[in-house]
Amino acid sequence: AQSVAQPEDQVKVAEGNPLTVKCTYSVSGNPYLFWYVQYPNRGLQFLLKYITGDNLVKGSYGFEAEFNKSQTSFHLKKPSALVSDSALYFCAVRDKGNTDKLIFGTGTRLQVFP
Amino acid sequence: ETGVTQTPRHLVMGMTNKKSLKCEQHLGHNAMYWYKQSAKKPLELMFVYNFKEQTENNSVPSRFSPECPNSSHLFLHLHTLQPEDSALYLCASSQRAGQGSAEQYFGPGTRLTVT
Repeated sequence: AQSVAQPEDQVKVAEGNPLTVKCTYSVSGNPYLFWYVQYPNRGLQFLLKYITGDNLVKGSYGFEAEFNKSQTSFHLKKPSALVSDSALYFCAVRDKGNTDKLIFGTGTRLQVFP
Repeated sequence: ETGVTQTPRHLVMGMTNKKSLKCEQHLGHNAMYWYKQSAKKPLELMFVYNFKEQTENNSVPSRFSPECPNSSHLFLHLHTLQPEDSALYLCASSQRAGQGSAEQYFGPGTRLTVT
C-alpha cells in the first residue's frame, strides 16, 4: 500500500536560515507526490508536486522539493526561511489503486523564529 | 468569490441535532471531496464526487450523508453525531477525479464541535 512518513513532528529554524521538512514514501510503481501547507484556521494550500521529469520541483512561496528515488524521499526545502513560513506542512502521495485518493502524512509543524 | 468556500466556519451541535455543511468551488472543477481532520491524526478522506457521482465512500458512518447537486456544490448532512466526530471538516476540489496528477484545492474548513 502507498504511504508517506514525516519523521519530524516539529522543525525549528531561525529566520534567514535554510529549512528542510522531511518526507519519505513507500509506493508500488511511480509515485505522484505532493506538498501542502496549512496556516492556522485555514485549509490546506497546494505548494508543489512531483509527477515525472526533473527531480527538483519548484513551487509556491520560494519552496522547492527534491525527489530522490534511491532514498525514497521527497524533502521540502527553502533556501532562506521567513517567520511567515511558520505553519503545518503535509506530504502526500496519490494512492495507486484509487487515483481519487491522496494519502497524507501526519504533518510537520515548522516554526521559524526571528 | 474565488477558490473553495465553506459555510459555516464554526458549528456547535448537540448529538440529537441535524445540521448541514456547505461547500462551493469557483474553480470550474469536476471533482469534489470531503475530508476529516482530527488532532494528531492524518487527514482522512471521507467522500469523493466526480461529475456529481459519488465514486468513493471511505467506510464513513451513515450519520454522515453527502450530497452533490452539481459540480460546484457539495453538502455534508449531519445527524445524531457523536462527540468523537468533533473535528475540522475540509472540502476540496480538483480538475477531475481519477486524474492522478491533479492537485486538490481546499476550503478553509468547518470546525465542528459535538456536545
